Amino acid sequence: GDSVTQMEGPVTLSEEAFLTINCTYTATGYPSLFWYVQYPGEGLQLLLKATKADDKGSNKGFEATYRKETTSFHLEKGSVQVSDSAVYFCALSANDYKLSFGAGTTVTVRA
Amino acid sequence: GAGVSQSPSNKVTEKGKDVELRCDPISGHTALYWYRQRLGQGLEFLIYFQGNSAPDKSGLPSDRFSAERTGESVSTLTIQRTQQEDSAVYLCASSLRQGRAYEQYFGPGTRLTVT
Repeated sequence: GDSVTQMEGPVTLSEEAFLTINCTYTATGYPSLFWYVQYPGEGLQLLLKATKADDKGSNKGFEATYRKETTSFHLEKGSVQVSDSAVYFCALSANDYKLSFGAGTTVTVRA
Repeated sequence: GAGVSQSPSNKVTEKGKDVELRCDPISGHTALYWYRQRLGQGLEFLIYFQGNSAPDKSGLPSDRFSAERTGESVSTLTIQRTQQEDSAVYLCASSLRQGRAYEQYFGPGTRLTVT
């Protein structure tokens, strides 16, 4: 079945550090890929997405590129801020509606 | 505008009792989803409603779980004879239409604890 494996946390960084969260997937066909974020005390929200191979999703300084050859969708940000502290979830959709999520990675950014 | 709302935000129940969780989707959203998040795990798909079509119940873990939706409005998820392994955060999401092009908007969740 469809599945997502993402880097285990927690991850602790200093402000302005480079962040990478690895995500790989297994799916039939050509899924769409997503990163969702959950800030403390808030609901889950879409951060970025990519719908086909080599697409790059970007938002709020975060980027992720859909790599079909390595079945990966790693999330990166060049310079994190304290406000980026959150739980990040990688997800895929291999059909038109059902999302399959990774276990989530908790990121804490220290000032 | 208003987002997806869920109630209650927290529910503590005794093993064997029935519970009902409610989701109010964003007005005008035809698609509604239920997910479950166990501690330290990702979200698991439970059930999906799209308009008046038959729901996709393939993610429901047992026949103790059921869900209803009236038209394109409120949905309720019912768990009968709760067990301790049902303890989790139950999340509802809605989207304007079915399809990967349409973002799923999530509610804040209901944290269920079965003692």
